[in-house]
Amino acid sequence: QKEVEQNSGPLSVPEGAIASLNCTYSDRVSQSFFWYRQYSGKSPELIMSIYSNGDKEDGRFTAQLNKASQYVSLLIRDSQPSDSATYLCAVLDSNYQLIWGAGTKLIIKP
Amino acid sequence: ETGVTQTPRHLVMGMTNKKSLKCEQHLGHNAMYWYKQSAKKPLELMFVYSLEERVENNSVPSRFSPECPNSSHLFLHLHTLQPEDSALYLCASSPLYRSGRTDTQYFGPGTRLTVL
Repeated sequence: QKEVEQNSGPLSVPEGAIASLNCTYSDRVSQSFFWYRQYSGKSPELIMSIYSNGDKEDGRFTAQLNKASQYVSLLIRDSQPSDSATYLCAVLDSNYQLIWGAGTKLIIKP
Repeated sequence: ETGVTQTPRHLVMGMTNKKSLKCEQHLGHNAMYWYKQSAKKPLELMFVYSLEERVENNSVPSRFSPECPNSSHLFLHLHTLQPEDSALYLCASSPLYRSGRTDTQYFGPGTRLTVL
């Protein structure tokens, strides 16, 4: 059974600090990795995708991928209260099936 | 209208009712998906259609019946549901299916379903 694991949280971070969200996956041959943000009562929206080892930056968001260790992370710099949401990690496995984590709830405290 | 739309946004139904959920995508995508989202659980993929052909059916009970009349529209027909079917039902679309990077999925707002 292929899995994507995330700490359910909640992860509480002071406003202005860096929030670090982590995700591990079991399928070593996975190639595509996605972070989605889901506000309470809303649907998931894509924040970042990453396909190669290393860092990918987009504004205040940085996705980090380490295929050898099978983890992908999302850093949010200068955290804002509007970043409070559940963050879902999704991994496209070797069969092109998108495997979802259960999400990490992030709370940014003013 | 842009993106992925879903109607109704909220639905309350009895166990003997028949209802349908509708999804429409305005992105020109070729693949459409139905997901079930329950509290604190990962998204559960129910059905996938690629170029109007059903390509995934993940052991979903027959009381859920999908329909894809064209690449822009997707329906989920519901009948004799159980209270445990209460959840958020999400529709998504992607440019292609099983092609790697172009599997990136875009979601509609969802239908909050309550079965009494």
